Amino acid sequence: DTGVSQDPRHKITKRGQNVTFRCDPISEHNRLYWYRQTLGQGPEFLTYFQNEAQLEKSRLLSDRFSAERPKGSFSTLEIQRTEQGDSAMYLCASSSSVGILRTQYFGPGTRLLVL
Amino acid sequence: GQQLNQSPQSMFIQEGEDVSMNCTSSSIFNTWLWYKQDPGEGPVLLIALYKAGELTSNGRLTAQFGITRKDSFLNISASIPSDVGIYFCAGGTDSNYQLIWGAGTKLIIKP
Repeated sequence: DTGVSQDPRHKITKRGQNVTFRCDPISEHNRLYWYRQTLGQGPEFLTYFQNEAQLEKSRLLSDRFSAERPKGSFSTLEIQRTEQGDSAMYLCASSSSVGILRTQYFGPGTRLLVL
Repeated sequence: GQQLNQSPQSMFIQEGEDVSMNCTSSSIFNTWLWYKQDPGEGPVLLIALYKAGELTSNGRLTAQFGITRKDSFLNISASIPSDVGIYFCAGGTDSNYQLIWGAGTKLIIKP
């Protein structure tokens, strides 16, 4: 399977704990995106990488959130000191940067529940 | 943030019926994308449109990129139970990597 993969698929944590999610994009894609989605809503943009450079961060991304893509391949999203309001589906997408290849393909998501 | 106007919000239909949903925007887009999302899963790309006026089919699905570049529609013909889910439209521009999303159309098929 050469699609976008995310790990873990589900995470339950207690408030105040740190969590880290991983995303492996489609191998030839140089762009990687993180989104957050709550029930009944479309995905909300969090941040975007082109290769290893983080080029944009949403205002939604508080200082408790950090994302990395150290070698321009996989990416991690860490949430420190989780809060109940962080409970959501975290989606990763990847794309190329050229023409119609900019279409974004999504992974299955990581569902986070903060107790 | 900015959001597309997607309608209807939900649809209750009989199996075998045709379905139509649309998205409109006050802004011009260069790309219109239609995704389907099942519960607990990520959005799956159904159809991508890159040119104003373009009409594209994918099996029983047909989507069109509006000529004004401010709207798009998705039709599903002869619906089947596995069509159940939430359908999202998303618009993109050449100058901005971000997609602008609709709020989704929830499709429910009556037994």
